[in-house]
Amino acid sequence: DIQMTQSPSTLSASVGDRVTITCRASQSISTWLAWYQQKPGKAPKVLISDATGLESGVPPRFSGSGSGTEFTLTVSSLQPDDFATYYCQQYSGYPWTFGQGTKVEI
Amino acid sequence: QVQLQESGPGLVKPSQTLSLTCSVSGGSISGSDYYWSWIRQPPGKGLEWIGFISSRGSTYYNPSLDSRFTISIDTSNNQFSLRLNSVTAADTAVYFCARYPSSIAAPSPIDDWGQGILVTVSS
Repeated sequence: DIQMTQSPSTLSASVGDRVTITCRASQSISTWLAWYQQKPGKAPKVLISDATGLESGVPPRFSGSGSGTEFTLTVSSLQPDDFATYYCQQYSGYPWTFGQGTKVEI
Repeated sequence: QVQLQESGPGLVKPSQTLSLTCSVSGGSISGSDYYWSWIRQPPGKGLEWIGFISSRGSTYYNPSLDSRFTISIDTSNNQFSLRLNSVTAADTAVYFCARYPSSIAAPSPIDDWGQGILVTVSS
């Protein structure tokens, strides 16, 4: 299995901050990486696909970068609605695997 | 816009079988364009991908999980299902059904999820 490791596990930030979450794959996954946002009691929502592609309707303050084994999700100016847990997920090969999550809190 | 909705018991006794159904509306489950999948999330923990089924009934299960899982599809009722045998407390989780495009040439992540159903295993 491809292991996905996210850091940090928890991130304390304020409205307006620029935040960056890192995801590392145990082997190269090219750019077959997605980022999801999950709020309590809700299903995850895909923000970024193919490592850098912003999904329709997702605010442009979200951006993704990376390829191979190192990836980042950046929120350029954190908004109140962005406090949530974020997961990376590789879809390069089965079984699909997720990172352990990063909780962004105030 | 397709919608997915999980249904099933919220409480299952240890050693029994968990059965969940995902009803799909707003689109046909019979098309070959999508895989239909289950993911679970233990309370307070991360996401675990269980496996998928195609409209033709081909399945793939996460080999990191044991072989207690079975995914099936019912195209006549536009739904697919998950069965988990011999449940234990470790199977307590929110179970999500989901779909994603099945293109091999251009893999895609999950773009549609059900709302999730909490299943508690307890006597």
